[in-house]
Amino acid sequence: DIQVTQSPSTLSASVGDRVTITCRASQNINSWLAWYQQKPGKAPKLLIYKASSLENGVPSRFSGGGSGTEFTLTISSLQPDDFATYYCQQYNNYSWTFGQGTKVEMK
Amino acid sequence: EVELLESGGDLVQPGGSLRLSCVASGFTFSSFAMNWVRQAPGKGLEWVSTIGHTGENTFYAGSVKGRFAISRDNSKNTVFLQMNSLRAADTAVYYCTRGQDSDYWGQGTLVTVSS
Repeated sequence: DIQVTQSPSTLSASVGDRVTITCRASQNINSWLAWYQQKPGKAPKLLIYKASSLENGVPSRFSGGGSGTEFTLTISSLQPDDFATYYCQQYNNYSWTFGQGTKVEMK
Repeated sequence: EVELLESGGDLVQPGGSLRLSCVASGFTFSSFAMNWVRQAPGKGLEWVSTIGHTGENTFYAGSVKGRFAISRDNSKNTVFLQMNSLRAADTAVYYCTRGQDSDYWGQGTLVTVSS
């Protein structure tokens, strides 16, 4: 199975900060990577698909990059609504795997 | 508006069985693969299973292969997850999601496996 390593596990930041989360896949997954945001007690929400495509309705301060084995999710200017847990997920083949999650908390 | 509504979660004893359902609305159900993803209490997300849009192709995580079975009824816009030989480690909220990108998620249904 393809392993996905997400870092950091926790990130402390302030409103207005630029924030970057990284995911590394154990083998080439081309651009088959998605990013989700989850708030407590809620279902995850798709932010980015195919590594860099912004889902409809998601603010443009979110962006995704990378291909192959290294990927990033960047929030250009952190807003109060962005404090949440973020997950990456590879879907290169039908044995999908998620990263361990990154909790973005208030500094 | 796309909606996914899961049901069937319950408290079940180890070794028991449960069948989850997910009713979809607001889109052409028969055109999309469907998935089940679970989240144990306080833990991360884990993909469980996927079924192709016709139902012909099914895929499973190693942790559930041979115990769980995914199926769908396109005439009723419903996807199912039959769970057998349940273990404590299967305790989780089970989410139904749409398509390759999991662009829509249901609200989840809680399965608790405990004696």
